[in-house]
Amino acid sequence: DIQMTQSPSTLSASVGDRVTITCRASQSISSWLAWYQQKPGKAPKLLIYKASTLESGVPSRFSGSGSGTEFTFTITSLQPDDFATYYCHDYSTSPWTFGQGTKVEIK
Amino acid sequence: QITLKESGPTLVKPTQTLTLTCTFSGFSLSAGVGVAWIRQPPGKALEWLAIIYSDDDKYYSPSLKSRLTITKDTSESQVVLTMTNMDPVDTATYYCAHRQGYGYGLDYWGQGTLVTVSS
Repeated sequence: DIQMTQSPSTLSASVGDRVTITCRASQSISSWLAWYQQKPGKAPKLLIYKASTLESGVPSRFSGSGSGTEFTFTITSLQPDDFATYYCHDYSTSPWTFGQGTKVEIK
Repeated sequence: QITLKESGPTLVKPTQTLTLTCTFSGFSLSAGVGVAWIRQPPGKALEWLAIIYSDDDKYYSPSLKSRLTITKDTSESQVVLTMTNMDPVDTATYYCAHRQGYGYGLDYWGQGTLVTVSS
């Protein structure tokens, strides 16, 4: 099974900061990676799929890059609504795997 | 407008079988569309459980495969997940989610239902 290592687990940042989260796969998953945002008590929300494709309606300050085993998720200018937990998701092949999550906190 | 909603018991006893139903609208299980189940223990990460596709292809988490069954009722717009031999470690919020097709992530999610396993 493919393992996903997401880092950091927690990130403290201020409004306006650039934020970067990394996911590393234990073997190549091509570009079959998604990123989700989850707020407390809510279901996850799809932000990015196919590593870099922005889901419809998602603000352009969110972006994703990478392929193979190294992936990056970036928020270019953190907004108050962006404080949440973010998960990467490998859907290259069964079994699917989620990263352990990155909580973005207010600094 | 695509919506999904999970339903089922909120409390089950250890060793019992859990049956969860995902009732959806705004799409049909056709042409590569899939419905997945994901769970999240309190304060922990997401865990993928299973997915079923329009052609009845099914995939399961290897660690839970012996305990899970996923089925679909296309006429009722429902997907059902059963999990046998429930244990307190299975306490979690269970979500169902829509997959548009090959190459896509999970683009629509239900609100989730919290299932507690306790005697």
